[in-house]
Amino acid sequence: AQSVTQLGSHVSVSEGALVLLRCNYSSSVPPYLFWYVQYPNQGLQLLLKYTSAATLVKGINGFEAEFKKSETSFHLTKPSAHMSDAAEYFCAIFQGAQKLVFGQGTRLTINP
Amino acid sequence: GAGVSQSPSNKVTEKGKDVELRCDPISGHTALYWYRQRLGQGLEFLIYFQGNSAPDKSGLPSDRFSAERTGESVSTLTIQRTQQEDSAVYLCASSFRAEPYEQYFGPGTRLTVT
Repeated sequence: AQSVTQLGSHVSVSEGALVLLRCNYSSSVPPYLFWYVQYPNQGLQLLLKYTSAATLVKGINGFEAEFKKSETSFHLTKPSAHMSDAAEYFCAIFQGAQKLVFGQGTRLTINP
Repeated sequence: GAGVSQSPSNKVTEKGKDVELRCDPISGHTALYWYRQRLGQGLEFLIYFQGNSAPDKSGLPSDRFSAERTGESVSTLTIQRTQQEDSAVYLCASSFRAEPYEQYFGPGTRLTVT
């Protein structure tokens, strides 16, 4: 079965610094991978998705992620953090049978 | 257009009582999902509906949990004889059949069992 592991339950960066949120996957078939963001007291919003096209995927709000098969990774990055990026971020993998399997989440804090 | 809506937004109930949570999916979305999010944890799949097909109930944690959906519209998640460990945010999502992974989430119902 497919799964994802997010490294680091909490990441803290300074405003303007690089954001790097790590996600590694396990899959016996070519994976479909996703990053979702959850702002406080809100539902999840799709940031970006990888569906076997370009390995570098650009999403909303300046985020991007690179699919690296050799490293089984799909890390999320943003060159310059903004205060509004503070949220919980979830990596997810499509398991088939119409299911998404989510990681445990990484809480991103931005320091002024 | 309107997104996925859920009601109530917050529910406090006493242990042993039954609760009903409601989800209104985006119009035209044939698939509907329920997830549970415990404090500080990821999302736990509960149940999936697709059109008129039999639902995938493989994620329901016990027989106290059940869900219904009328056609391709509203769904209700019912928890009977609530326990304190049922306290969580219950999230609903919907999607088009053709793009099942692009799920659109509602704001959730925060359930507190006292």
